[in-house]
Formats: sequence, structure tokens, C-alpha cells
Amino acid sequence: RKEVEQDPGPFNVPEGATVAFNCTYSNSASQSFFWYRQDCRKEPKLLMSVYSSGNEDGRFTAQLNRASQYISLLIRDSKLSDSATYLCVVNGLNTGGFKTIFGAGTRLFVKA
Amino acid sequence: DAGVIQSPRHEVTEMGQEVTLRCKPISGHNSLFWYRQTMMRGLELLIYFNNNVPIDDSGMPEDRFSAKMPNASFSTLKIQPSEPRDSAVYFCASSLWASGSSYNEQFFGPGTRLTVL
Repeated sequence: RKEVEQDPGPFNVPEGATVAFNCTYSNSASQSFFWYRQDCRKEPKLLMSVYSSGNEDGRFTAQLNRASQYISLLIRDSKLSDSATYLCVVNGLNTGGFKTIFGAGTRLFVKA
Repeated sequence: DAGVIQSPRHEVTEMGQEVTLRCKPISGHNSLFWYRQTMMRGLELLIYFNNNVPIDDSGMPEDRFSAKMPNASFSTLKIQPSEPRDSAVYFCASSLWASGSSYNEQFFGPGTRLTVL
């Protein structure tokens, strides 16, 4: 089992739709969680951190469920510019010290 | 700030040749990461440094790969000899790590697209 798993998609949605991605992680000792965004042929960039209480940034909402070991990203009112790959990132202690694990990413296509 | 700088942006080489990738982190950052990204395996952490010291190199695939950070403003990732399966995009990232903090945002460079024929 991979340490961080994401549905690769692709998710094809029309403009204005609401779309949600989930990400599961295997290490229960994981401490911090993030969503990164990667545009085609570009580098990943931090989209938002994920807090236990859930957090919102404009049209984006992130949730963490420690009991079930998953995080989610909800995008409301999708825009064409939201088309990208969304990477789930999990960070925490393991036998080798702090380790950051990136998921393989979920591809999103928003259509006009 | 110029951000993380990587060179070259593209590299095409033949199997068996030595390849050296270069990275200049953001000034003031004290952690540096090397990643490899392929369609099959996604983004994999190869090695990371804190204050120029390698902390975790468990992701380095084999002895053909080596990384150095001689000072706070420069790092190299070397592959010798290169093989076709090394073809990937190699990203360098840097962050400002504070003692006691489990994570700080990583800023990625534009990547080096390596093709080994």
C-alpha cells in the first residue's frame, strides 16, 4: 500500500461545478497536511495547508479526518483556471526522521 | 527574489554519460530537497539537506546517484553513469526550516527535464 494515495482522475467538470478530491495516508503519526497544485509542465506550488478544524480559502475548502486518515479538498464554482493536478502532501515522523510524502496527484479538467 | 534556480532546464544525454544537475535555493532558506517526477512514480523525494548537511538520502535510487551541498547557496545532483530509466523531471525545492517545526512550505524550482537515450 502506498503511504499516500489519491485517485488519479482525471476529473472532467463544467465551469461552475463543485468537485471534491480525497487523499488517504497510512502513517497514523503524520503531523501536517497540505494541498499543492501543479500546472502542466510546471513546478508544484502550495495551495493550502490542512488543519484539523478544517479551513477555507475562497472557493477552496480543506478537511482533515485523523480517525479515518484522509484529507479532502473541495473546490466550489470551478473556473477554467482551476485545471491542474492537485497533490496531497503528508508530513510526519518516521524511522528516518521527518519525511514529506507527495501523493501522485489528481488531475482536474474544467471545461467551458 | 529570484526563487529557486535550477540548471540546465533541459538535458539530453546518452546512456553511460555523467549528468550533473544544479540548484540554487532561495537566499536565507536552510533546507534543500531534490525530487524526481515521472508519470509512473509521481513525485519522489530523493534526498534533503538541513543547513548543508544531508539528513535523509533513503530515496536515492542507487549508488549511481549522489548529491552534495558545499554551501548554503548551491547544490548538485549527479548521476553517473546515467541510464534511460533515469529520464524524468528533477525538481529542487527549498524551505526555511525552524527547529521544532514539523513543516515549512517548500518552494520548487522550475525543474530539469532529463532524457537519457
